[in-house]
Amino acid sequence: GAVVSQHPSRVICKSGTSVKIECRSLDFQATTMFWYRQFPKQSLMLMATSNEGSKATYEQGVEKDKFLINHASLTLSTLTVTSAHPEDSSFYICSASNAGGQTNTEAFFGQGTRLTVV
Amino acid sequence: LAKTTQPISMDSYEGQEVNITCSHNNIATNDYITWYQQFPSQGPRFIIQGYKTKVTNEVASLFIPADRKSSTLSLPRVSLSDTAVYYCLVGVNSGYSTLTFGKGTMLLVSP
Repeated sequence: GAVVSQHPSRVICKSGTSVKIECRSLDFQATTMFWYRQFPKQSLMLMATSNEGSKATYEQGVEKDKFLINHASLTLSTLTVTSAHPEDSSFYICSASNAGGQTNTEAFFGQGTRLTVV
Repeated sequence: LAKTTQPISMDSYEGQEVNITCSHNNIATNDYITWYQQFPSQGPRFIIQGYKTKVTNEVASLFIPADRKSSTLSLPRVSLSDTAVYYCLVGVNSGYSTLTFGKGTMLLVSP
């Protein structure tokens, strides 16, 4: 099946610094990618929808100036956590679909990135 | 979006068949039913998807009654490695919109 690769898988950063997470669709083009956040023992919460060549659409309560999303190509979306604080420590997951114009497709998920802010 | 309700947790033993039922009373005509599996510190992995009746693949079966207000994921002869969280999602994943995750079911398989 299609593969979505996320990097890094784990990162530790100091409070106040910024961290960039990459999400790549390896064998298909993804017009849209999605970013989730998952806290321990909780479900995945959609943060934003990343659209190639345009601004991301953020879910209610997600600060767009703190979580910068760039979708510069059909195979790469990045999430930058700016001025990270300990409460931003979480598991971040991206997903993408190779819709190809179909009305319903399978979503492929990256491996996730464990962010720890110290 | 159709809301889903699943048991919070289930316990089983190796070799048993496990059935996880999901309720989705307000499923829409165009909605599909999709199940994902997630291991700790990993992204969700697609298990199976269906629209109606029964769907079977190499890892699971999905039973959907005629009214489509519920669905049952069936895992035959589970092993320890099937211990994971299983999510039932209802909706249409068009590539331009995504599905909403509910709380999921934590399945614990014991020896």
